[in-house]
Amino acid sequence: GAGVSQTPSNKVTEKGKYVELRCDPISGHTALYWYRQSLGQGPEFLIYFQGTGAADDSGLPNDRFFAVRPEGSVSTLKIQRTERGDSAVYLCASSPDPGSYEQYFGPGTRLTVT
Amino acid sequence: DAKTTQPNSMESNEEEPVHLPCNHSTISGTDYIHWYRQLPSQGPEYVIHGLTSNVNNRMASLAIAEDRKSSTLILHRATLRDAAVYYCILRDGFGGSNYKLTFGKGTLLTVNP
Repeated sequence: GAGVSQTPSNKVTEKGKYVELRCDPISGHTALYWYRQSLGQGPEFLIYFQGTGAADDSGLPNDRFFAVRPEGSVSTLKIQRTERGDSAVYLCASSPDPGSYEQYFGPGTRLTVT
Repeated sequence: DAKTTQPNSMESNEEEPVHLPCNHSTISGTDYIHWYRQLPSQGPEYVIHGLTSNVNNRMASLAIAEDRKSSTLILHRATLRDAAVYYCILRDGFGGSNYKLTFGKGTLLTVNP
């Protein structure tokens, strides 16, 4: 079946611009996660959705970052006033429920802020 | 969060077994040991997990020390497609935030033909 998909695969933007990153989870998965991976590091947790609500946004670095999942399926990560330090690979994962032992990751969106 | 320690890198030859170690001396009684791997330009993928007993699946085996302070991921016959970064992660089986995966830097496995 279809896995987690993320669009775009690559995004180049100028400092100060606004960007949106999209995640399509596996159908039927109620839990959705966003992670960020900087070069040479492991992924870092950003936010977790259970259904439509953000159950834990403790990993968002500041208020320029925001994420939504209005219908409990597709999620969008939004970054305002991008900075060069936001450059990273943004990974989305989903699981049938938050207690599932396996999270299924998408291929990520590589964001480059120039 | 309990931490894990892994070697930065390891090398193996194709078709030979690979033993990837992980130390987790501060593991708690409810922590499960999970392994994920990340192939180049891909997101991480689940490999295996266990609590106390050794575990086997189609991808790998997980050997857990009796005191649970260390574990070893075993790839029985490495292939070039196993070249990846392997992450050892502790997840609390009963904690309120056990959905959150905490990745370290992992071990970069190179497989030589």
